Amino acid sequence: QKEVEQNSGPLSVPEGAIASLNCTYSDRGSQSFFWYRQYSGKSPELIMSIYSNGDKEDGRFTAQLNKASQYVSLLIRDSQPSDSATYLCAVISRGNQFYFGTGTSLTVIP
Amino acid sequence: GAGVSQSPSNKVTEKGKDVELRCDPISGHTALYWYRQSLGQGLEFLIYFQGNSAPDKSGLPSDRFSAERTGGSVSTLTIQRTQQEDSAVYLCASSFQGTKGDTQYFGPGTRLTVL
Repeated sequence: QKEVEQNSGPLSVPEGAIASLNCTYSDRGSQSFFWYRQYSGKSPELIMSIYSNGDKEDGRFTAQLNKASQYVSLLIRDSQPSDSATYLCAVISRGNQFYFGTGTSLTVIP
Repeated sequence: GAGVSQSPSNKVTEKGKDVELRCDPISGHTALYWYRQSLGQGLEFLIYFQGNSAPDKSGLPSDRFSAERTGGSVSTLTIQRTQQEDSAVYLCASSFQGTKGDTQYFGPGTRLTVL
């Protein structure tokens, strides 16, 4: 079982819709969770971090964490074509090790 | 500089040659990570340096791979006797402390092509 799992996609949504990206992790002791965005040919850049159960909102982005279900998600409201990228979920395990998922490819269709 | 820098940005080499990839972390960051990303794949962890502690080498795929971090700053990833399957983008990241909740900042990567 992989430490972090994501649906590879591709996920396509129309402009203005909500994009929902999901991630599960295996280490129940994990405490820190991150979403990175990676444009084609570019390096990952941090979008959101979340450490507590519940929702965390930042502009059009909302991260949701459910530690009981070992599940973290990212919602993108009012999706824009510029949001088209691969979204990587990352988790810091109880051993302070960073694990990345393989990423979900998102395409926002104008 | 303001961010993580890596050099070279692109490296083309012949199978069997050795290569060295360099990473300059953000000033003051004590933690440094190396990852490999093959085309269309996620990030594969290679090695992690934290301050003066022994590095976590658990991700290195073979003994042809090694890395050093001199003076707690610049790091060099060395791949000996390169193989075609080593072709990938090698990403370096640094973080302030490398502890829980610590954000990693990525460099632009080195694209390695082994012919």
